[in-house]
Amino acid sequence: DTGVSQDPRHKITKRGQNVTFRCDPISEHNRLYWYRQTLGQGPEFLTYFQNEAQLEKSRLLSDRFSAERPKGSFSTLEIQRTEQGDSAMYLCASSPWTGELFFGEGSRLTVL
Amino acid sequence: KNEVEQSPQNLTAQEGEFITINCSYSVGISALHWLQQHPGGGIVSLFMLSSGKKKHGRLIATINIQEKHSSLHITASHPRDSAVYICADTNTGNQFYFGTGTSLTVIP
Repeated sequence: DTGVSQDPRHKITKRGQNVTFRCDPISEHNRLYWYRQTLGQGPEFLTYFQNEAQLEKSRLLSDRFSAERPKGSFSTLEIQRTEQGDSAMYLCASSPWTGELFFGEGSRLTVL
Repeated sequence: KNEVEQSPQNLTAQEGEFITINCSYSVGISALHWLQQHPGGGIVSLFMLSSGKKKHGRLIATINIQEKHSSLHITASHPRDSAVYICADTNTGNQFYFGTGTSLTVIP
């Protein structure tokens, strides 16, 4: 299967720990997005890459959050000093130049 | 600020019924997406449209650019259509703005 894959699917961590999520987009897709979704809400934009360049970042994203896409292929999202409010589903999506969105299954984070 | 609103928030239908879900947005867009999300998280893209109408099987999506409104229709609904349906729009392709979703339950 060559869809968008995310790892890990589930992460339980203690408050204050750092966590890192990885996203492998569909290989030809130059656009990559990270979203956060909490229960009963639609996805909330976090950041956007075109190839390796991070072109947009949500103002809601604190400096504890950082994302990279070093070679324009896979991306990582790191959350430092996690807080309970960070508990959510973290979704990655990729898109070709035509604009269709392809989502991964998400990485669910629980901060205790 | 771009606001995307969906209605209804929750919808229960009998199998076989025709279903309509509505989406309104507040600013000019380049494309509107309809997405389906099943329990457990996975999101699947159903349609991307910037004008007119698209059809895929029993699903039909329409958009009226002047009225900033889109609809998703499901004909001959089936219990496997039960899911959350989300609309999302974009102006530049850099950011997408999502509605909060419509939770659909189709009863056999």
